[in-house]
Amino acid sequence: DGGITQSPKYLFRKEGQNVTLSCEQNLNHDAMYWYRQDPGQGLRLIYYSQIVNDFQKGDIAEGYSVSREKKESFPLTVTSAQKNPTAFYLCASSISPRAEAFFGQGTRLTVV
Amino acid sequence: AQRVTQPEKLLSVFKGAPVELKCNYSYSGSPELFWYVQYSRQRLQLLLRHISRESIKGFTADLNKGETSFHLKKPFAQEEDSAMYYCALRVRNNDMRFGAGTRLTVKP
Repeated sequence: DGGITQSPKYLFRKEGQNVTLSCEQNLNHDAMYWYRQDPGQGLRLIYYSQIVNDFQKGDIAEGYSVSREKKESFPLTVTSAQKNPTAFYLCASSISPRAEAFFGQGTRLTVV
Repeated sequence: AQRVTQPEKLLSVFKGAPVELKCNYSYSGSPELFWYVQYSRQRLQLLLRHISRESIKGFTADLNKGETSFHLKKPFAQEEDSAMYYCALRVRNNDMRFGAGTRLTVKP
C-alpha cells in the first residue's frame, strides 16, 4: 500500500523534553515537507527537503530540527527551544518541488 | 507580504444550491494557486490547480488577477462535498502558503 505515513497519531510530552515525529513515504518522492497547523490558521512550513542529505528552513523553523538520511524518511524533532510546541503536524512529499504534494494523516502533539 | 486569506471559516448551504468558497491572495509575482480538500477522516489532498483550468468533482476556480482572487465554485452542491477546503499559493518551488481553511457543510 503506497503512501506517506506519520506516527504516532497522538503524542504527549512533558515540557522541556525533545520529541521526534516520524514521517515515512514509499512513493519514491524526492521532496518532503513538514507543516504545522494551529486552530484558525493555515498550514505553515517548518522545513523542507528536496533530496537526501539536504534540507532547508521554512518560515517557522526555530525550535525544530530535521534530518534526511534516507529518501523514505524525514523525521522532525521538536526541541525544548520551541516555545509553543502543542499543535497538529503534517508531513507531505512530492515527486519534485513543483509537483502535487501528498499528505500524511498528521500527528497531534500535546506538551503538558 | 505573501498571504492567502479565506474570509469564511464556516459555510453552510443546502443540497443543490450553488456554493462559492472565497480565496484572496497577496503576491507580487505571477501566482500559482491551488485548492486542497480534506474530507472527514481522510488526508488533505489536491482538488485543483489554476494552471490546469480543469473541473474536478464539478468544482471550478478562476484566477482573477485584478481582484487577486481564486474563488472555488460549484453550481449544485452535494452532501459529499462537505469537507474542509484550503486555498494555497506557491511562492517558491518548495513553499506553499495555505489559507486558514473553510469548513463547508452541505445540508440535505
